[in-house]
Amino acid sequence: DTEVTQTPKHLVMGMTNKKSLKCEQHMGHRAMYWYKQKAKKPPELMFVYSYEKLSINESVPSRFSPECPNSSLLNLHLHALQPEDSALYLCASSQVLPKGRTFKAEQCFGPGTRLTVT
Amino acid sequence: AQSVTQPDIHITVSEGASLELRCNYSYGATPYLFWYVQSPGQGLQLLLKYFSGDTLVQGIKGFEAEFKRSQSSFNLRKPSVHWSDAAEYFCTLYNFNKFYFGSGTKLNVKP
Repeated sequence: DTEVTQTPKHLVMGMTNKKSLKCEQHMGHRAMYWYKQKAKKPPELMFVYSYEKLSINESVPSRFSPECPNSSLLNLHLHALQPEDSALYLCASSQVLPKGRTFKAEQCFGPGTRLTVT
Repeated sequence: AQSVTQPDIHITVSEGASLELRCNYSYGATPYLFWYVQSPGQGLQLLLKYFSGDTLVQGIKGFEAEFKRSQSSFNLRKPSVHWSDAAEYFCTLYNFNKFYFGSGTKLNVKP
């Protein structure tokens, strides 16, 4: 299995809702990433997990809460979002080089979840 | 500080014509460079990568890129464009667990 899957493909939520985005990979990758992509813009890194521990948080608002329950799964919990949070949310994964600190550069991306906040 | 610049926001080429997408980077050491392609509403697909060695790298779908250290460039080329190549292309630099994306070039293909 050489792909990253994301569910749901589309999500519409109100500003008071709580929802979750899910990402799964079975390539044995131990680094997983969340990106946010606005229309006509490049992806922006949000979070990185390495060996199920949060490694990088790019000063993301607390209304986004990541979770990595095991080496294959990555969740993004959403609560009290704003309309400006509407975007394509991409998950990616990569290998981690020996010594566990450097991620192998080649990332595999999922197809994304299109989120609309109303 | 590292950065990636893609000077062309939009490019339109005729089907069958050659293509070159420009990418310039700023980085002190030998960079890890990538080209990704993104179709509308989809995730990113890796076209090719440069880590070291041969400066001309071959990728999928008939794409190639040439690394030129003297010009800090990593331009993407294809000799004959197909209508299915219409997409957004991102040049990307990797440094210590982070990717630095260029702003992207949107390719339109005329029939």
